[in-house]
Amino acid sequence: GENVEQHPSTLSVQEGDSAVIKCTYSDSASNYFPWYKQELGKRPQLIIDIRSNVGEKKDQRIAVTLNKTAKHFSLHITETQPEDSAVYFCAASINDKLIFGTGTRLQVFP
Amino acid sequence: GAVVSQHPSWVICKSGTSVKIECRSLDFQATTMFWYRQFPKQSLMLMATSNEGSKATYEQGVEKDKFLINHASLTLSTLTVTSAHPEDSSFYICSARKPGGSNIQYFGAGTRLSVL
Repeated sequence: GENVEQHPSTLSVQEGDSAVIKCTYSDSASNYFPWYKQELGKRPQLIIDIRSNVGEKKDQRIAVTLNKTAKHFSLHITETQPEDSAVYFCAASINDKLIFGTGTRLQVFP
Repeated sequence: GAVVSQHPSWVICKSGTSVKIECRSLDFQATTMFWYRQFPKQSLMLMATSNEGSKATYEQGVEKDKFLINHASLTLSTLTVTSAHPEDSSFYICSARKPGGSNIQYFGAGTRLSVL
């Protein structure tokens, strides 16, 4: 079955710096890759997603890149702010199901 | 919009009792809903896929007789944890997908279950 690995597990950055989170997936049939932000005890919120026919997508300070050949996709957050602090999960869709990565705890220090 | 409501948000029960969790799509019809379990500081693990009008599809290792899923309407799926034990204590989250081929899943706010 599909397996999604996510790195790093924790990431601390200074406010204003960039943050990058990377994921790899195993099943080449996966065709949809969302990123979710989850604050403590809250529901996961979709922040950006990308489909397999696109290599890059950007939404203000957030961007996602996809390398289908290498089966890698990454989340880039620029000009980080303290309110970006949360746990971020990548996921890959296979057979209409989402398989989640292990999560990255991002801390942005003012 | 795409709002998914989950109820209750928090439940405490005694060992051996059953607990029902509801997941509703408020402003769209969802032929497919998903149930996840999340342990503290861990990822979301898919438990089962709930299909309206048919039996749920359970992931490997999930006991279907313990986690009963019913998806009787296009806006409601329920998860019943039967004969709950302390090891069932967890954060249970549902999600719903809009019809029409979209992959996007919209999540409920989750239910924290504590079994004493």
